[in-house]
Amino acid sequence: GAGVSQTPSNKVTEKGKYVELRCDPISGHTALYWYRQSLGQGPEFLIYFQGTGAADDSGLPNDRFFAVRPEGSVSTLKIQRTERGDSAVYLCASRLDRVNTEAFFGQGTRLTVV
Amino acid sequence: AQKVTQAQTEISVVEKEDVTLDCVYETRDTTYYLFWYKQPPSGELVFLIRRNSFDEQNEISGRYSWNFQKSTSSFNFTITASQVVDSAVYFCALSEDGAGSYQLTFGKGTKLSVIP
Repeated sequence: GAGVSQTPSNKVTEKGKYVELRCDPISGHTALYWYRQSLGQGPEFLIYFQGTGAADDSGLPNDRFFAVRPEGSVSTLKIQRTERGDSAVYLCASRLDRVNTEAFFGQGTRLTVV
Repeated sequence: AQKVTQAQTEISVVEKEDVTLDCVYETRDTTYYLFWYKQPPSGELVFLIRRNSFDEQNEISGRYSWNFQKSTSSFNFTITASQVVDSAVYFCALSEDGAGSYQLTFGKGTKLSVIP
């Protein structure tokens, strides 16, 4: 596709439920990132994939959060036992390579935990 | 640890005024990269510029210009003759060469409102 695509654009879930957020990066981009943006804040790094492997997951807040990228393209961010504090916009970005080329961001998934 | 500070939370200007958005960064790396992104109400982050730490030349792109000063660890962004379409949240970000992931560390953003 022309840009980074994230689905769904909005997700409302009940506390304690499991959610999956999807990111479809730009074709050919090997580097993929997940960020979380809380209201009034800048995006915060969660996890980085180079190809299929999670090369850096140091930003994941706890073990309820997990992400996969099984074929080196589409990635899924998974959140178990959601809490109200997980409410935020989850942004995905891709780069041609991990070196500091421009990172292209998707429009994000707004997650609301009620 | 890397850190980016955008001290201006919100700025309002009247259309056609010039406005400067401040960005101060902290890093221990000698090689690093600085970025500015624009986030309009639609939510998507739009890339504006990338500079590496070895290139202190100021850059101009149309009404936008950037002033990079290593001596003060600043990377300020100026919009000349502002327009209503410039209204958005602007983020400054830093990426260190020593971090294998080249992840971006963002400031908290400056919300710019351009009033007609």
